[in-house]
Amino acid sequence: EAGVTQFPSHSVIEKGQTVTLRCDPISGHDNLYWYRRVMGKEIKFLLHFVKESKQDESGMPNNRFLAERTGGTYSTLKVQPAELEDSGVYFCASSPPEGNEQFFGPGTRLTVL
Amino acid sequence: LAKTTQPISMDSYEGQEVNITCSHNNIATNDYITWYQQFPSQGPRFIIQGYKTKVTNEVASLFIPADRKSSTLSLPRVSLSDTAVYYCLVGRGTDTGRRALTFGSGTRLQVQP
Repeated sequence: EAGVTQFPSHSVIEKGQTVTLRCDPISGHDNLYWYRRVMGKEIKFLLHFVKESKQDESGMPNNRFLAERTGGTYSTLKVQPAELEDSGVYFCASSPPEGNEQFFGPGTRLTVL
Repeated sequence: LAKTTQPISMDSYEGQEVNITCSHNNIATNDYITWYQQFPSQGPRFIIQGYKTKVTNEVASLFIPADRKSSTLSLPRVSLSDTAVYYCLVGRGTDTGRRALTFGSGTRLQVQP
């Protein structure tokens, strides 16, 4: 069974540009999460989808970040415009309707110059 | 949320047993203890979860004393491939697959040949 996949694996952009990260969860997983780790800091929660609905977006840092999950399948996280402090690794995770485990993707490393 | 404290790093040799202790003095009655493992350039991976006493699976054992203010992750006979960061998380209930996870700094385990 395929795991959580993320695209791209790396992205290097200039400050002020826009970047869109994609996450494909494990098939059948209603729950989808975005996390990120900025340089030297801990992994922090961004938001949680249940199917196509945002269950919890308390971790979104500001309105430059927009997450969508149209149709309840894959999700995108757009950063517009990107700032230097947005550099880091963005992880996506998914989980089934019940259970105690989240399955993480390999992450997207974003570098903003 | 119960705050967790772990050693920043640990060193071991192949074939040894490694015990990583996590302190969570403010753990609540309904909180469960979960451990994740993260290899370089990968997302975190669920290892084990427990509430009290001892839990064992094919990867590790988790020891939780009666007061539940700490827990110990035990890795039997480590190999080089066990070199990773290990995170101790405390969260309400067993359905931690459906809630935002709170990661601390983790313990960086380095296994030497």
